[in-house]
Amino acid sequence: GQSLEQPSEVTAVEGAIVQINCTYQTSGFYGLSWYQQHDGGAPTFLSYNALDGLEETGRFSSFLSRSDSYGYLLLQELQMKDSASYFCAGYRDDKIIFGKGTRLHILP
Amino acid sequence: DTGVSQDPRHKITKRGQNVTFRCDPISEHNRLYWYRQTLGQGPEFLTYFQNEAQLEKSRLLSDRFSAERPKGSFSTLEIQRTEQGDSAMYLCASSLGGAGEAFFGQGTRLTVV
Repeated sequence: GQSLEQPSEVTAVEGAIVQINCTYQTSGFYGLSWYQQHDGGAPTFLSYNALDGLEETGRFSSFLSRSDSYGYLLLQELQMKDSASYFCAGYRDDKIIFGKGTRLHILP
Repeated sequence: DTGVSQDPRHKITKRGQNVTFRCDPISEHNRLYWYRQTLGQGPEFLTYFQNEAQLEKSRLLSDRFSAERPKGSFSTLEIQRTEQGDSAMYLCASSLGGAGEAFFGQGTRLTVV
C-alpha cells in the first residue's frame, strides 16, 4: 500500500527550531514534498526532495532519506505566522499522495 | 495569470441533488488534480488529468463522482445524488509535469443537508 505517517500535532516556542517527521510505506515511490496550509486556506508548496539530502529555502529546510523511507521538514526562527498544518506528500506514478498533516502550534 | 481558480467557493445542496464544480488551472499546466479534504485530514486524492486524459481515478471513489477536462484546460467535477458524507472541501491543483510544485485553488466547500 501507500501511506505517509506524520505526528498529528507539534508545539514549539516562537524563535525556536522545530522538526516535523514523515515516514512512508509505499512501492514505486519517488520524491517527497511539503505543503503548508493555514486555517481556511489552500495548501501551498514549501519544498520538494527528489534525491537524498537536505534542501534549504530560507527558514525552511527539508530532508529525505530514501533508504530509510523518511523525511523531515525543519523550520527555524519560528514566527507566529508559521502556525499552520504541514503535510508531507509523496509521488507515485505522477500522483501526489498526502499525509494526514501535522498541526504546528507556536507559543509566544 | 491569477493562479488556480475554483467556482463556486461554497455550495449548499440538498441530499440527492447533483452538483458540479469547475476548476481553471494555471494556463500552461498540463497536470490537473482533484482532492477532497475534511476537517483535520490531509487532501485525499480523487483523480488527475494529463492534458485532457484522465489518468487515474481513486478506487475509493464512488461511481457517483465523475470528472472531465474536455480540452485540456478547465476541468469539472460532478457529484450525482449527493449524500451527507460528500460534505467536504473539494480542492483542485495544477502542475507543470508530475513531481515538484503543485498549485492549489482555494477550493469549493460543499455542504449537503
